[in-house]
Amino acid sequence: EDQVTQSPEALRLQEGESSSLNCSYTVSGLRGLFWYRQDPGKGPEFLFTLYSAGEEKEKERLKATLTKKESFLHITAPKPEDSATYLCAVQASTSGTYKYIFGTGTRLKVLA
Amino acid sequence: GAGVSQTPSNKVTEKGKYVELRCDPISGHTALYWYRQSLGQGPEFLIYFQGTGAADDSGLPNDRFFAVRPEGSVSTLKIQRTERGDSAVYLCASSLGTRGDTQYFGPGTRLTVL
Repeated sequence: EDQVTQSPEALRLQEGESSSLNCSYTVSGLRGLFWYRQDPGKGPEFLFTLYSAGEEKEKERLKATLTKKESFLHITAPKPEDSATYLCAVQASTSGTYKYIFGTGTRLKVLA
Repeated sequence: GAGVSQTPSNKVTEKGKYVELRCDPISGHTALYWYRQSLGQGPEFLIYFQGTGAADDSGLPNDRFFAVRPEGSVSTLKIQRTERGDSAVYLCASSLGTRGDTQYFGPGTRLTVL
């Protein structure tokens, strides 16, 4: 069964304390892996798309990497404004149909 | 440019009533998606439109849920005989072309069924 698992469920960091969020997946026919940021009461905001193992993308303090089984979202020297829920989603292809499966997210709190 | 918009932002209804939720995608996006998100969970896929047709409605939970996109732009999600378990945030997303493209989300409609 196609599955996406994110860990940890919640993470508290001090400002400037770097860390990584994990997204592990078991899907057939991976077409892409997506990272989103979601603030309370808002829709997910697109961050990155990764398509193949070894690929990396960076944006400000965030860097996303992809292997054949998991993706990491590295946060370098986070600031309080980075506090949000980070969602991972994978797009899988099976017999010509596509599925877009989200993980349950990691709730990040960065303390000043 | 304008992003995906959804109306209303909040909807409170009574059990058994009918509701309609509206989504305006990004201009020029041919693909449109509906998701449902419960508290503490990731979005759950409901239905995907390519143009005017529903290309995949496998996520609709039962026949009380229906969605249309008659002119290939605005979409309406319709829920009949609402139940308390339908309470959630309903998210709409659009993408430029095929389902492989990045999806951009609206702010969601929070539905509360009393």
